[in-house]
Amino acid sequence: NAGVTQTPKFQVLKTGQSMTLQCAQDMNHEYMSWYRQDPGMGLRLIHYSVGAGITDQGEVPNGYNVSRSTTEDFPLRLLSAAPSQTSVYFCASQRDREPGELFFGEGSRLTVL
Amino acid sequence: AQSVTQLDSQVPVFEEAPVELRCNYSSSVSVYLFWYVQYPNQGLQLLLKYLSGSTLVESINGFEAEFNKSQTSFHLRKPSVHISDTAEYFCAVTLTGFQKLVFGTGTRLLVSP
Repeated sequence: NAGVTQTPKFQVLKTGQSMTLQCAQDMNHEYMSWYRQDPGMGLRLIHYSVGAGITDQGEVPNGYNVSRSTTEDFPLRLLSAAPSQTSVYFCASQRDREPGELFFGEGSRLTVL
Repeated sequence: AQSVTQLDSQVPVFEEAPVELRCNYSSSVSVYLFWYVQYPNQGLQLLLKYLSGSTLVESINGFEAEFNKSQTSFHLRKPSVHISDTAEYFCAVTLTGFQKLVFGTGTRLLVSP
């Protein structure tokens, strides 16, 4: 049972480049979300999904796109990377009847030059 | 909207000493409260939670937290810490159980011999 798997673990981009952070979970969880973690700011919600085909914006959605075509996968797309998007990104999933109990991936560290 | 305040960014303590990590929240309605732990280079893991019932909740590794509605607090305590407790601890609050999970800025617990 792999849990929540994120790829890549590390990535360096140049300003203006695009990329996709992959997230997959094998626990059949309906809810999935993306957070970014920055020093002194804790975790901030970027986008979330309550099921396949349904996504919504979190606290800091600008510059990011998501889609949810299957229950298992929830990729995060950076359309035109900016230095302000340098961060550690975490994907998380949750059982639908377990409020607040998130299962996190190990994170993806992104640097935008 | 709800928010979480963790006033201490870092708490140094000696091994076998007691520790308290403070968490205060703001909300005008009932909330669910959580403590997550993040070990170096890992994702967050749920440590303990308060949903309802007994205001004192415990984790399997000796941490406990007490929900205090009048003081809007959910402080985390351990009577005797170990080196292995060195990590960052995040307090979180939610109203709905999922998409509104709001994290504090984290407290880094540093346990030294």
